[in-house]
Amino acid sequence: DQQVKQNSPSLSVQEGRISILNCDYTNSMFDYFLWYKKYPAEGPTFLISISSIKDKNEDGRFTVFLNKSAKHLSLHIVPSQPGDSAVYFCAANSMYRTNTGNQFYFGTGTSLTVIP
Amino acid sequence: EPEVTQTPSHQVTQMGQEVILRCVPISNHLYFYWYRQILGQKVEFLVSFYNNEISEKSEIFDDQFSVERPDGSNFTLKIRSTKLEDSAMYFCASSEQERLETQYFGPGTRLLVL
Repeated sequence: DQQVKQNSPSLSVQEGRISILNCDYTNSMFDYFLWYKKYPAEGPTFLISISSIKDKNEDGRFTVFLNKSAKHLSLHIVPSQPGDSAVYFCAANSMYRTNTGNQFYFGTGTSLTVIP
Repeated sequence: EPEVTQTPSHQVTQMGQEVILRCVPISNHLYFYWYRQILGQKVEFLVSFYNNEISEKSEIFDDQFSVERPDGSNFTLKIRSTKLEDSAMYFCASSEQERLETQYFGPGTRLLVL
C-alpha cells in the first residue's frame, strides 16, 4: 500500500541549478509532510517540513511546496551544491492522529546527484 | 553533537536464528522507534516505544519481533526466528518529544538472512 510515492528514483542536476524533487500521496488525511535526506551509511536526517495550513515553507536554499488539491508536494533546492548529493525521502502523516496513528509513511526516495 | 548509535553495522544470520539489533538513543530522549528499509523499497515504520512500553506498532511488527530497553540506555529489537524477507536495513530513531520532525536516526544495521 504505497500511500506516498516518489516516482523519480534518480535525478541529476548541474551545480548552481535548481533541483526539484517530487512526491505524491494518496491518503487525504495526511496533513503533515517532511523531507529527509540520507547519505550513504547514515540514517535519514530531517530537512524541512510543511503542514497543510501552508502551501510553501522555506529554509535557506530549501523550499517545500504543497498542492493539497493535487496531493502533491515538491522540494526545491536552489542553488544546488555537490554536497546536496544524497537520497531524499518524502514522508507524510496526520498531526491529528486519525487513521494514520503515530507512524509516518515514507516514499521510496529519489537519489539526487549534483554535478560540479 | 549527540547521535544515535547502532550495533552491529552488519549482521549475517541463518534463517530461523534469533537476532538482536542494538541501539543507543540520545541520552535525554524519551521516545524510541524502529524502522526498516528493504533494499530498493521505502522506509517502513515498525514500532514506537515510550515509558517502557510499546506505544504503537505496524502490521509488520508481528509476534516474531520484540523490543526492549533493558538497562536505561540501550534499545533493542529482537527477531526471534528470522525469515529471508527480514533482510533489510534497520534504523533506530529517538526523539525528545513526540514530534515527527525531531526524530534522530541512527546509521542503521544491515541484516542479511540466508
